[in-house]
Amino acid sequence: EAEVAQSPRYKITEKSQAVAFWCDPISGHATLYWYRQILGQGPELLVQFQDESVVDDSQLPKDRFSAERLKGVDSTLKIQPAELGDSAMYLCASSSRYRDGLIEQFFGPGTRLTVL
Amino acid sequence: GQQVMQIPQYQHVQEGEDFTTYCNSSTTLSNIQWYKQRPGGHPVFLIQLVKSGEVKKQKRLTFQFGEAKKNSSLHITATQTTDVGTYFCSYRLGSSNTGKLIFGQGTTLQVKP
Repeated sequence: EAEVAQSPRYKITEKSQAVAFWCDPISGHATLYWYRQILGQGPELLVQFQDESVVDDSQLPKDRFSAERLKGVDSTLKIQPAELGDSAMYLCASSSRYRDGLIEQFFGPGTRLTVL
Repeated sequence: GQQVMQIPQYQHVQEGEDFTTYCNSSTTLSNIQWYKQRPGGHPVFLIQLVKSGEVKKQKRLTFQFGEAKKNSSLHITATQTTDVGTYFCSYRLGSSNTGKLIFGQGTTLQVKP
């Protein structure tokens, strides 16, 4: 069964350092999402790509966060510099094109970031 | 922005008891999706509801969308230890297929064997 791949699974860094997360969506999925999930809360969308284009980054802290999906396939989320409040689970999800009124999102295993 | 509130935040039940979580919005929603996240895992899609008053069943799980499309519920009959996890409701902003998903804060279910 096809899955969304993410790496690394865990990342510990010191504040002010740069970190990067990678996501490889399910093959053929045009839409890719990056979410941040703080412990005890639901996922919050950071950025959404349709192919290589950003369609929503309204909740992305653009002073320190950046995301790209250059060839419309895999994607990288970067934080520079990391702050203590960035400690969270970073989830990547993908979905296929709108079909039959359903857009099911498939989530990857996530990257657990701890900023010390 | 629009929020969905889920209640309760936590629920502990004895195995075999029923469980219900509610998802409420102050505004009309075009759709509701439910996800389950096991401890240490990632959200997994369960179901989508789009029609007023819609009821869907998956084995012991029953999902409802309110007549006014402002609330939804997930009911589990005769809980099992495999039902442990956090259940999130979410909705897609707008009617466009590119609208982002807004998640509730979730209901965490613990089942005592």
